[in-house]
Amino acid sequence: GAGVSQTPSNKVTEKGKYVELRCDPISGHTALYWYRQSLGQGPEFLIYFQGTGAADDSGLPNDRFFAVRPEGSVSTLKIQRTERGDSAVYLCASSLNDRYYNEQFFGPGTRLTVL
Amino acid sequence: LAKTTQPISMDSYEGQEVNITCSHNNIATNDYITWYQQFPSQGPRFIIQGYKTKVTNEVASLFIPADRKSSTLSLPRVSLSDTAVYYCLVVFSFSGGYNKLIFGAGTRLAVHP
Repeated sequence: GAGVSQTPSNKVTEKGKYVELRCDPISGHTALYWYRQSLGQGPEFLIYFQGTGAADDSGLPNDRFFAVRPEGSVSTLKIQRTERGDSAVYLCASSLNDRYYNEQFFGPGTRLTVL
Repeated sequence: LAKTTQPISMDSYEGQEVNITCSHNNIATNDYITWYQQFPSQGPRFIIQGYKTKVTNEVASLFIPADRKSSTLSLPRVSLSDTAVYYCLVVFSFSGGYNKLIFGAGTRLAVHP
């Protein structure tokens, strides 16, 4: 079956612009996670959805970052007024159930570059 | 302070056993320790998960001592294709009752012929 997909694979934008990153999880997976990975670092947790609701958004760095999952499937990570420090690979993962210990299936990521 | 510590890099040769240890304090008592593998330009891929003692699957073993302050991923008889970055993922518990997922910084394993 299809895995987790993310679009676009690459996004280049200018400082101050708005961007949206999309994640299509594996069908039937109720949990969805967003991470940010900088070069040479491990993924940094951003937000976790259980169904349509954000169960834990403690990792969002500031109010410029927002994510939605309106129908409990596709999720969009939105970044306003982008800054150069937002440049990273943004990873999405989904899992079958709603506990952190369940196996997460990751997408290939979206590489965001803010000029 | 919630922190995981892994060696930055390791080298091995084909056919050898590789052990990578992750140190973690104050992890959530009811949550698992998970290890992931990541190749360049790909998302991490699940390897193994455990709660305590020893877990083994077709690709690896995971050893977790009783105090759960560390875990060791064991890769038997590595091959060139095992060259990758390996991450531990743990859940830390904080006062106020909330938990946080934290990945280690990763161990870059290089397997040589």
